[in-house]
Amino acid sequence: DIVMTQSPLSLPVTPGEPASISCRSSQSLLHSNGFNYLDWYLQRPGQSPQLLIYEGSNRASGVPHRFSGSGSGTDFTLKISRVEAEDVGVYFCMQSLQTPFTFGGGTRVEIK
Amino acid sequence: VQLVQSGAELKKPGASMRVSCRTSGYTFTAYYIHWLRQSPGQRLEWMGWINPKNGGTYYAQKFQDWVTLTRDTSTNTAYMALSRLTSDDTAVYYCARDGSSDSQYYGLDVWGQGTTVTVSS
Repeated sequence: DIVMTQSPLSLPVTPGEPASISCRSSQSLLHSNGFNYLDWYLQRPGQSPQLLIYEGSNRASGVPHRFSGSGSGTDFTLKISRVEAEDVGVYFCMQSLQTPFTFGGGTRVEIK
Repeated sequence: VQLVQSGAELKKPGASMRVSCRTSGYTFTAYYIHWLRQSPGQRLEWMGWINPKNGGTYYAQKFQDWVTLTRDTSTNTAYMALSRLTSDDTAVYYCARDGSSDSQYYGLDVWGQGTTVTVSS
């Protein structure tokens, strides 16, 4: 199975400031079709996960532009350009290149 | 688009359970449904998928012998059945729609609200 490793575990942020989360995979997530099969999800407190980014850098429908994804192969980053209070929660990366799909351990974003 | 799951369950070890995922707002047979779970203190775990169009399934190897995914196209509902429950199966179980088309991956774009399953004697 592909192992997903996120950092940091916890990220205190100041509203209006940027934030960045890293995700690394034990194998390349770059498919022969040129796409990276890496998603980002946000799980707000008491809610189900919601899709933010798919294929490494494509924002899902309705996701604010302050969220962006980048990276290729085994190293990926989720950036929030200016954190808002509603962005608190746990962020997960997930690889969908191979079954079983596997998740990172999560990064808890909290407001300072 | 909505996925609405059945309510919380309390089960005894050795029992079986079935969680439902009722869908609405889209063509049920056009998108795969995935099942995942989140155990206390553990990372999200992918269990498998079902193709509602033909009932085809794929299971993570870990779950192959004791999870069964089915669907009812007359009610646009997917089901996840788990047998021989142990305390390790205590978790929140989610269904999620795979937004992908034949040629394009779009992620797990809609999730159910989750079903809490507690296994305890």
